[in-house]
Amino acid sequence: GENVEQHPSTLSVQEGDSAVIKCTYSDSASNYFPWYKQELGKRPQLIIDIRSNVGEKKDQRIAVTLNKTAKHFSLHITETQPEDSAVYFCAANTNTGNQFYFGTGTSLTVIP
Amino acid sequence: DAGITQSPRYKITETGRQVTLMCHQTWSHSYMFWYRQDLGHGLRLIYYSAAADITDKGEVPDGYVVSRSKTENFPLTLESATRSQTSVYFCASSETQGPYTFGSGTRLTVV
Repeated sequence: GENVEQHPSTLSVQEGDSAVIKCTYSDSASNYFPWYKQELGKRPQLIIDIRSNVGEKKDQRIAVTLNKTAKHFSLHITETQPEDSAVYFCAANTNTGNQFYFGTGTSLTVIP
Repeated sequence: DAGITQSPRYKITETGRQVTLMCHQTWSHSYMFWYRQDLGHGLRLIYYSAAADITDKGEVPDGYVVSRSKTENFPLTLESATRSQTSVYFCASSETQGPYTFGSGTRLTVV
């Protein structure tokens, strides 16, 4: 089955700096990679996603890159703000029942 | 999102009791999922359903039962609750090849 690894598990950055979270996946058939943000006590919410036919996607301060050959994808947050503090999860789909396998999460703290 | 609701938000139950967590979505999404979230384990799939009357096991199905008689509902039942089932449970729905939308979660404590 799919195995998704996510690093780092915790990340602290100064406000205004950039943050990068990296994930690797094992199933070469995976073709869709969403990222979720989960604030404390809340539900995970989709923030950006990428399909395997593109290498990069950007939405304001958030971008995701995908390297299919190396089977890794990354989340980049620029000009971080305190409200970016949350746990971020990467995920990769499988070809079984629209399932996603999730990374174990990265707790991001943005220090004002 | 108001389109997927879970109930109850919090539940305390005793070991050995049966408890059912409810999930309802209004989008007519084909797929529905149950995940549990525990520190250090991230989100782990318990069961999923591709359509009404079609369900399948995920990564951690033992001790849980699901049903899906209607597209919009996907209840999760713990047949005989154990302390190891203390967790936050998230229901999610999606269309084929689409991202999940999660419910607000149910925090279950088994004492």
